[in-house]
This record gives sequence, structure tokens and C-alpha cells, in this order.
Amino acid sequence: DTGVSQDPRHKITKRGQNVTFRCDPISEHNRLYWYRQTLGQGPEFLTYFQNEAQLEKSRLLSDRFSAERPKGSFSTLEIQRTEQGDSAMYLCASSLEGTRTGILSGANVLTFGAGSRLTVL
Amino acid sequence: SQKIEQNSEALNIQEGKTATLTCNYTNYSPAYLQWYRQDPGRGPVFLLLIRENEKEKRKERLKVTFDTTLKQSLFHITASQPADSATYLCALRQYNFNKFYFGSGTKLNVKP
Repeated sequence: DTGVSQDPRHKITKRGQNVTFRCDPISEHNRLYWYRQTLGQGPEFLTYFQNEAQLEKSRLLSDRFSAERPKGSFSTLEIQRTEQGDSAMYLCASSLEGTRTGILSGANVLTFGAGSRLTVL
Repeated sequence: SQKIEQNSEALNIQEGKTATLTCNYTNYSPAYLQWYRQDPGRGPVFLLLIRENEKEKRKERLKVTFDTTLKQSLFHITASQPADSATYLCALRQYNFNKFYFGSGTKLNVKP
């Protein structure tokens, strides 16, 4: 396994266009997260999946954003009608956890992908 | 929600010295706290994890302390090297919450 893969690494689009990012997590990881990071800031939580179920979404995730993880493996993040404020690095991370809630010892380390940088003109 | 503060000013130190980075948080105490390293244009990479009932953790030249009374974690890199130059992020997770909150990171510059 080569870690978490994200595609594309860079995307330049015009305002109003739709974009989709893909994330392939570490195969044995059951949890997948999406974060957004702007210059000089830390990653901000967007959403996460436990297997194929989307369990939590941030208020940052407006109606223009949608994420899926159809078979509990790869995930996609789609942004519709992009705005200049959507320009950011979109980070995907995966982790291994045994239960839906709570914290298990020995787990909960996030493995990040290299990110997908979005520029909206 | 949690507020996590890291020094936004870059930390410039000389090679061989010890770098100390600070992470302060407000509101609830985290179940555990993590430190990540991030290089430009790359995703964060996990370094160390410390739980709320632990005072100190070490890994090679890295040391993390956790003071739940002060609501603070310190991250130390001893015998720093230019290759340690990067942005260091702290992240915390609370009990019964399944997301990680990140600080804005501190950029470390180690000069030869």
C-alpha cells in the first residue's frame, strides 16, 4: 500500500464551474476525513466517513459541497458552482478505528494525502 | 468548539539548538493531543501522540509534554537540523468527538 492518494494534485477552474476531487485511503482504514486548508492556517474539518456512512459534516460544508464514499473505499468531494473563496488545499486523511464513537487506544492517527490544490479564477 | 493557539510567528534557531514549540487550547480537555509536521505543498505527517493521563512522550530527538492544568503542550526538537525546518501543527481530539481540531501551525527555520 502506498498511503493515501489524492487526485488531481492541482486544479485551476473558473468561477461557477464544478470540480471533483478523489481520495484513495489506505486500504485497511475504515475512517476517511476531508479537511480544507488555506495559506497560513491549519486544516479545517469538513466531513468524515466511517466505512460508507457519512457521520458528520461541518458547517463549513455548504450545500454546494457533497462528499461520497460509495463502497467504503475511495471517496469523492464535489464542489458545485465554485467561488473564489473555495480556493484552498483540500486534504484527505484516513485512519483505523474500531467503533463508531469513542476513542480506542492505539488508533486515531491520521494519515494524510498530499492534497488537491484548488484555484478558482 | 475548541480553540487551539500556536505561535504564528516563525521560530528561527541555530542548528544544534533545541527548538520548543507551544500549543495552547481552550474549553474542554482533549482525550489526546498529536503533533504533525507539514512541508510546503504536502499533507501533514504524524509525529507523536500524547494522552491526557501522560505527562511526557519521547521519540528519538522529539519530546512532547502535556499539562492539562495549563492546557498546554510543548513540542521539543533537540539537536535541531536544517532538515527539521517545516511547519509543525498540533491537533487535539476530545472524548466522544470523532474529529481532530488543528492549530494554525508554527513554522520552524533551522539555520546551519
